[in-house]
Amino acid sequence: GNSVTQMEGPVTLSEEAFLTINCTYTATGYPSLFWYVQYPGEGLQLLLKATKADDKGSNKGFEATYRKETTSFHLEKGSVQVSDSAVYFCALSESAGGTSYGKLTFGQGTILTVHP
Amino acid sequence: KAGVTQTPRYLIKTRGQQVTLSCSPISGHRSVSWYQQTPGQGLQFLFEYFSETQRNKGNFPGRFSGRQFSNSRSEMNVSTLELGDSALYLCASSLDLSGTLKSYEQYFGPGTRLTVT
Repeated sequence: GNSVTQMEGPVTLSEEAFLTINCTYTATGYPSLFWYVQYPGEGLQLLLKATKADDKGSNKGFEATYRKETTSFHLEKGSVQVSDSAVYFCALSESAGGTSYGKLTFGQGTILTVHP
Repeated sequence: KAGVTQTPRYLIKTRGQQVTLSCSPISGHRSVSWYQQTPGQGLQFLFEYFSETQRNKGNFPGRFSGRQFSNSRSEMNVSTLELGDSALYLCASSLDLSGTLKSYEQYFGPGTRLTVT
């Protein structure tokens, strides 16, 4: 079955530091890949997505590139802010003709804390 | 446009009872998915409904069930509650239009926090 593995957390950074959160996946088909963010007491918000190999998703300074050869979708940001403190989830959904778009498989989540 | 709403936001139940959670999707969205979030197991897919039919199902016991109404609103029910059912239950909706990849993006509600004592 499908699975997503994220780097162990939590991650603690100083403001303006560089962020990388690793994500690798295993999928039987050709999945779409997502990063979601969850702020305390809230649901998940879609941060960015990529639907095919070499696609780069980007939003709010965050970027991730769909690497089919390494089955990875690492999240990066060049300069983090205190307001980026949250839990980040990597996820995949099946695509390409399947009927499983409504089923997301999530990684375990990475807690990010940014200090001033 | 209003987002996904879930009611109630917080719920406390006793072991053995049953509970019903409600989800109203974004207007026009046709697919509703449910997830369970716990510290130990993380986010796990429960089921997905589309056009009042269950289209996908996760690996949860039969005590967990759901349904979708003609207006796309959805409910999930958990019978014979166990302590381990304590979790944040998240609902997500998507437009789900064939041929439009963007329409498959899922938008999440704030969740219902269920505590079983």
